[in-house]
Amino acid sequence: GAVVSQHPSRVICKSGTSVKIECRSLDFQATTMFWYRQFPKKSLMLMATSNEGSKATYEQGVEKDKFLINHASLTLSTLTVTSAHPEDSSFYICSAATSGSRNTGELFFGEGSRLTVL
Amino acid sequence: DAKTTQPTSMDCAEGRAANLPCNHSTISGNEYVYWYRQIHSQGPQYIIHGLKNNETNEMASLIITEDRKSSTLILPHATLRDTAVYYCIVRASSRDDKIIFGKGTRLHILP
Repeated sequence: GAVVSQHPSRVICKSGTSVKIECRSLDFQATTMFWYRQFPKKSLMLMATSNEGSKATYEQGVEKDKFLINHASLTLSTLTVTSAHPEDSSFYICSAATSGSRNTGELFFGEGSRLTVL
Repeated sequence: DAKTTQPTSMDCAEGRAANLPCNHSTISGNEYVYWYRQIHSQGPQYIIHGLKNNETNEMASLIITEDRKSSTLILPHATLRDTAVYYCIVRASSRDDKIIFGKGTRLHILP
């Protein structure tokens, strides 16, 4: 089946630094990717929709200047947490939708990236 | 907001069938029912999806009522590794249609 890979799986950084998380579709082209964050024992919260070659669409309440999303190719989207603070510590998960003949509406999820800001 | 409601938690004995219900009374004609599960600290895993007919794959069966307002995910022989949070989602079959997660059902498989 289709595979979505995230990197890094875990990252610890100091407050004030920026962290980049990569999301790759390994065996299919993903014109659309979605970014979620998840707090402990809570459900996934959609942050933004990333479209290849255009600006991301952010959900209400998500700061676009804080969470920079770039989807420069059909297999890669990146989420950069800028000037990270302890409250940004969370589990970040990406998902990718297939396109073309494989479009069954199924979303594939990455393994997640756990960010800890000290 | 999520368009589905599920029980917060359920228990099931190992080896028995786990039946997880989901209500989606406002589902639209072009929306599918999807089921995902999330094991602790991992990304969600696709299980199964359907439109109106019952579906079965190697992981589970999906039973959708005739009016499509509710569905049941069936894990035929639950094992300890099936302990997870199960999410029922409705979504149009379009790559651009986002998934909004509800709270899901926390399934505990008891030895």
